[in-house]
Amino acid sequence: EAQVTQNPRYLITVTGKKLTVTCSQNMNHEYMSWYRQDPGLGLRQIYYSMNVEVTDKGDVPEGYKVSRKEKRNFPLILESPSPNQTSLYFCASSPRDRGHNEQFFGPGTRLTVL
Amino acid sequence: GEDVEQSLFLSVREGDSSVINCTYTDSSSTYLYWYKQEPGAGLQLLTYIFSNMDMKQDQRLTVLLNKKDKHLSLRIADTQTGDSAIYFCAESPRPTGNQFYFGTGTSLTVIP
Repeated sequence: EAQVTQNPRYLITVTGKKLTVTCSQNMNHEYMSWYRQDPGLGLRQIYYSMNVEVTDKGDVPEGYKVSRKEKRNFPLILESPSPNQTSLYFCASSPRDRGHNEQFFGPGTRLTVL
Repeated sequence: GEDVEQSLFLSVREGDSSVINCTYTDSSSTYLYWYKQEPGAGLQLLTYIFSNMDMKQDQRLTVLLNKKDKHLSLRIADTQTGDSAIYFCAESPRPTGNQFYFGTGTSLTVIP
């Protein structure tokens, strides 16, 4: 089944404890992105990648890191999480060679930072 | 970043039409999108419109684009309870890029 998977789905952690949220897609898509969703603010793009080893900052990159060493994986790293990073996080992927960019979203990761 | 704005809530009665509005800021966006998020799930692409079109119809969905006013709307005809969800509009400023700006989302509630 074609899908985007994220792990973990739920995570409660404490301020300053490094964490990684994994994202993997099995559709051979070139493009991948990370978003955070907050009430009243909608979805905001954190980082995006257009291919292996090619990443760019989105609208809200502060406090986050990403890497794209393989086409299928795009982990999101929080080196020192803070309570304002409590949010619902979505990973998405899309194929490059189309007129429009249809993104396929993962199921989300709900992160709470205490 | 860009400001993509939507009203937060909309309630309609089952069988009526729903109209969800969006204003965006980047006139260079080649495509504009509508995504649907059902409770507890990720987003799914509902429809999209190319920027040189004024209207696109797809079964119960009609998308209207007013480029002059940078206004996008989504009309759902004969709204059903299964249409209850959050609807997001989105723009992508570069035609071949992967940078996106999403709106705040409109939570649609369909009353039986």
